Amino acid sequence: GQNIDQPTEMTATEGAIVQINCTYQTSGFNGLFWYQQHAGEAPTFLSYNVLDGLEEKGRFSSFLSRSKGYSYLLLKELQMKDSASYLCAAIDSNYQLIWGAGTKLIIKP
Amino acid sequence: IAGITQAPTSQILAAGRRMTLRCTQDMRHNAMYWYRQDLGLGLRLIHYSNTAGTTGKGEVPDGYSVSRANTDDFPLTLASAVPSQTSVYFCASSDSTGGSYNEQFFGPGTRLTVL
Repeated sequence: GQNIDQPTEMTATEGAIVQINCTYQTSGFNGLFWYQQHAGEAPTFLSYNVLDGLEEKGRFSSFLSRSKGYSYLLLKELQMKDSASYLCAAIDSNYQLIWGAGTKLIIKP
Repeated sequence: IAGITQAPTSQILAAGRRMTLRCTQDMRHNAMYWYRQDLGLGLRLIHYSNTAGTTGKGEVPDGYSVSRANTDDFPLTLASAVPSQTSVYFCASSDSTGGSYNEQFFGPGTRLTVL
């Protein structure tokens, strides 16, 4: 079956760096998304990786290793507003999105 | 520019009643999706539409139906609501064509409670 695994919850300190991991098992692979979702709000797009390597976008970076079925989202210089859930989603061979359950990130002062 | 709108924002519904959740986008995206989100389970695809006039079943389609009469609108209907359909429902759209995939844009969600 198809599956996305990511930690349920993580805690980090304001100003620090945190890495949220995601492993995936899909029938075929056409890329991976990271979304941010604040409590009570809709998910919003953060990044898309289809090739191996690191994509940097300001304080956020996303990494992909296709051979390992692994991705991570790196958040630097954490701010209180980064407290949210982070959703990993992989695109399978039918171009359907397979979603993880999300990682709730708690930022402490 | 509104993006994607959903109505209602929230609804309390008696079991057995029929309910239609509305979704409208103004981005002229070809693809639209309906998800439900339950605590600890993440987003689950109910139905999708790759283009106006076509629809497909997602992971959890039972008890739900959709239609796509035009590009902008993608209503979701619960024919006879049951308590297990209590959830937050998100509509999304993307400009996705065969062989490529673009990000999905999400509406604000509808919080539905079935008693």
